[in-house]
Amino acid sequence: AQSVTQPDIHITVSEGASLELRCNYSYGATPYLFWYVQSPGQGLQLLLKYFSGDTLVQGIKGFEAEFKRSQSSFNLRKPSVHWSDAAEYFCAVGAKYNNNDMRFGAGTRLTVKP
Amino acid sequence: GAVVSQHPSWVICKSGTSVKIECRSLDFQATTMFWYRQFPKQSLMLMATSNEGSKATYEQGVEKDKFLINHASLTLSTLTVTSAHPEDSSFYICSASHPNGEANVLTFGAGSRLTVL
Repeated sequence: AQSVTQPDIHITVSEGASLELRCNYSYGATPYLFWYVQSPGQGLQLLLKYFSGDTLVQGIKGFEAEFKRSQSSFNLRKPSVHWSDAAEYFCAVGAKYNNNDMRFGAGTRLTVKP
Repeated sequence: GAVVSQHPSWVICKSGTSVKIECRSLDFQATTMFWYRQFPKQSLMLMATSNEGSKATYEQGVEKDKFLINHASLTLSTLTVTSAHPEDSSFYICSASHPNGEANVLTFGAGSRLTVL
């Protein structure tokens, strides 16, 4: 069965600093990988996804993520964090054409210091 | 873009009462919606898949008599927590897939926080 691990429960970075949120997955086949962001009182918003092809994917709000099969990782990065990026970030792994087989990580809460 | 609305966003109820949470797809029809439960500092756990016009499919360990799901129309799924108890307090989130959207890409509601006293 697939699973997702986000090792960091809480990360604090200064505004303008770079960011990397870690995500490791376990999946028997080629995974579909996602990063979602959740602001307080809001639903989950899709930042980016990887299905196939180029292992470096670009998303919204200046985020990118790199799929590394050898490390079973899909880390999220942003070169310069803005205060508005403070939120909860979820990594998820899913199966092709099967939305009810999606697994989420526990989430990483990002705090941005001024 | 696709929008999923949940109502209420938060609710407080007494133990033993039932609470209904609505999930609506505002600008598209969703034959399938998903219900998740999220405990503090934990991940979203899929509870059930709601299918329009048929019975919901529940994940292992989820009591279907406790968490009643109805998907009577293509734009509305409801989750009713029956005889709620404090351990049912949680954040409940729904999602749906836009029929014209990319496969596997879900749109999520803002969630409903249930507190049972």
